[in-house]
Amino acid sequence: KQEVTQIPAALSVPEGENLVLNCSFTDSAIYNLQWFRQDPGKGLTSLLLIQSSQREQTSGRLNASLDKSSGRSTLYIAASQPGDSATYLCAAPQAGSEKLVFGKGTKLTVNP
Amino acid sequence: DVKVTQSSRYLVKRTGEKVFLECVQDMDHENMFWYRQDPGLGLRLIYFSYDVKMKEKGDIPEGYSVSREKKERFSLILESASTNQTSMYLCASSLEQGLGNQPQHFGDGTRLSIL
Repeated sequence: KQEVTQIPAALSVPEGENLVLNCSFTDSAIYNLQWFRQDPGKGLTSLLLIQSSQREQTSGRLNASLDKSSGRSTLYIAASQPGDSATYLCAAPQAGSEKLVFGKGTKLTVNP
Repeated sequence: DVKVTQSSRYLVKRTGEKVFLECVQDMDHENMFWYRQDPGLGLRLIYFSYDVKMKEKGDIPEGYSVSREKKERFSLILESASTNQTSMYLCASSLEQGLGNQPQHFGDGTRLSIL
């Protein structure tokens, strides 16, 4: 059964810093991995979806990587801004299913 | 842009009531999902539907049922609400193009309180 872990649970950085959020998963037979952002009291916004055939996916200041062999994905945020403050969740599918298993998220605070 | 709309942002109901949460998507997506999100437990899948009138249990289906009579609408039903069903409920949808080729898109959530 797929399990997804995100460490750390919370991270506080000064504005302008580059940072990396980590996600690990137990079942490496995945076909994709998805990163989301969640603002307080709101739903999830899809940030990036990386297919298993890709190693990286980029959107603006965000770059996500996927290493299936080690069961890890990272979300890199360049030149962080206070508006990046949110909880970031990663999700990997259950084997052979459309069902996603979510990590518990990393709460990011970017201080001005 | 994909739009997933949940009928209520906040809802307060009483123990024992039958509660309906509605979700509508406007992008002709085949797949629709209901999750609940609780502090310390994260997001957990309640039910999943991959087509009209089709449904599949998620990890925590007990105390819930679902209805999908039309492709764009997926309803979550609490048959007899209990206080342990107080939670944030999130609906999502995705296009069916082979396993995992399309991202899931979420609504803004319904914060449900059962008194």
